Amino acid sequence: SQQGEEDPQALSIQEGENATMNCSYKTSINNLQWYRQNSGRGLVHLILIRSNEREKHSGRLRVTLDTSKKSSSLLITASRAADTASYFCATDGQGGGSNYKLTFGKGTLLTVNP
Amino acid sequence: EAGVTQSPTHLIKTRGQQATLRCSPISGHTSVYWYQQALGLGLQFLLWYDEGEERNRGNFPPRFSGRQFPNYSSELNVNALELEDSALYLCASSQWTGTRSKETQYFGPGTRLLVL
Repeated sequence: SQQGEEDPQALSIQEGENATMNCSYKTSINNLQWYRQNSGRGLVHLILIRSNEREKHSGRLRVTLDTSKKSSSLLITASRAADTASYFCATDGQGGGSNYKLTFGKGTLLTVNP
Repeated sequence: EAGVTQSPTHLIKTRGQQATLRCSPISGHTSVYWYQQALGLGLQFLLWYDEGEERNRGNFPPRFSGRQFPNYSSELNVNALELEDSALYLCASSQWTGTRSKETQYFGPGTRLLVL
């Protein structure tokens, strides 16, 4: 079963607007990561937030993590047409050792209109 | 620094055949992960190799197998192909940092497998 679930499934905005995507997960985690995928190609790593962190910034990206609610959000500010892509959250679970793996949500398809 | 590479980019097979997909990790990375991204099913974890050993596998039948070579590159083999095996297969690599809490997986461009 999917650990992470992104919300919304699809989001369409105008260039310059902010885009917010949410992710919920079910079990305890070591970290949560956000990835971007353009048109069925490989995933690009955006940002990793550890379970003891609440907020992290990287350029126009801001990620928050609320472990009590088992949720995370990704904010892209001042969006550009080039930000059009699918965005996935991934969690590692706290099963370290041989149980380690990333579990991905089904993603949010972001469309930024010029 | 070269990223994760995968070959071939596209592969067309017929039902019952075998497919072999290849992955070269980022230099210095010892772990390789395989994922399947089928339409409508999202990214599903397939296999994890580290230091030449299979460490974990997802909920896939035994006809999905692979190996990791001494140079840390990896091969994914899919036997007795079925139509539903059509998907994008993604490989990722990572470097052990001493703690899982900081481990990032870096992905290759994928191999698109089509089973006819």
